[in-house]
Amino acid sequence: DAKTTQPPSMDCAEGRAANLPCNHSTISGNEYVYWYRQIHSQGPQYIIHGLKNNETNEMASLIITEDRKSSTLILPHATLRDTAVYYCIVRVASGGSYIPTFGRGTSLIVHP
Amino acid sequence: DAGVIQSPRHEVTEMGQEVTLRCKPISGHNSLFWYRQTMMRGLELLIYFNNNVPIDDSGMPEDRFSAKMPNASFSTLKIQPSEPRDSAVYFCASILSHGTGAGNTIYFGEGSWLTVV
Repeated sequence: DAKTTQPPSMDCAEGRAANLPCNHSTISGNEYVYWYRQIHSQGPQYIIHGLKNNETNEMASLIITEDRKSSTLILPHATLRDTAVYYCIVRVASGGSYIPTFGRGTSLIVHP
Repeated sequence: DAGVIQSPRHEVTEMGQEVTLRCKPISGHNSLFWYRQTMMRGLELLIYFNNNVPIDDSGMPEDRFSAKMPNASFSTLKIQPSEPRDSAVYFCASILSHGTGAGNTIYFGEGSWLTVV
């Protein structure tokens, strides 16, 4: 099972910041937090990842709390094309390798 | 880079028929995953290969499902016989897994949409 908890749905006005929370209270010290999104009828797409420092790229920013038990994905200026399901995952170790396990994610709807 | 390539993109088949889904991972990636996605169950991991060897197939629903990876550039997921409840989107994904704890990105294909009638 996924080790993360996300709200099932959120909405956001176009042009505003979308802040998507994720709870990963059982995260281990060497596990990374990854965010992916899935636009309808497409495969999930990588957004960003981090270990303990905040990260930013051209798509989004990732804020990880100091205790690493939760994180927030920030889309600074949401557009209609950001409507998608957003998955927060942590890397799960199995047999010395890592298996990404996805939960239900957060369905983000960006409205005009 | 062509990304993860899956075929067919769409398939409609009759109950009882054999279905074979194909996947070509990204060149150089050493781990491959098959996922199934439905509205009811979300995105489920079916099986995972590392260096062409099946590592974890605990997600394979039953004996009707089988997966192979004969070489580093090709994998198949077979359903025989197919049933209507197998209708879903099947995703293949690949990753360069160092197994050292360093972050690695998983890349998904566009999926194979299967409908069993």
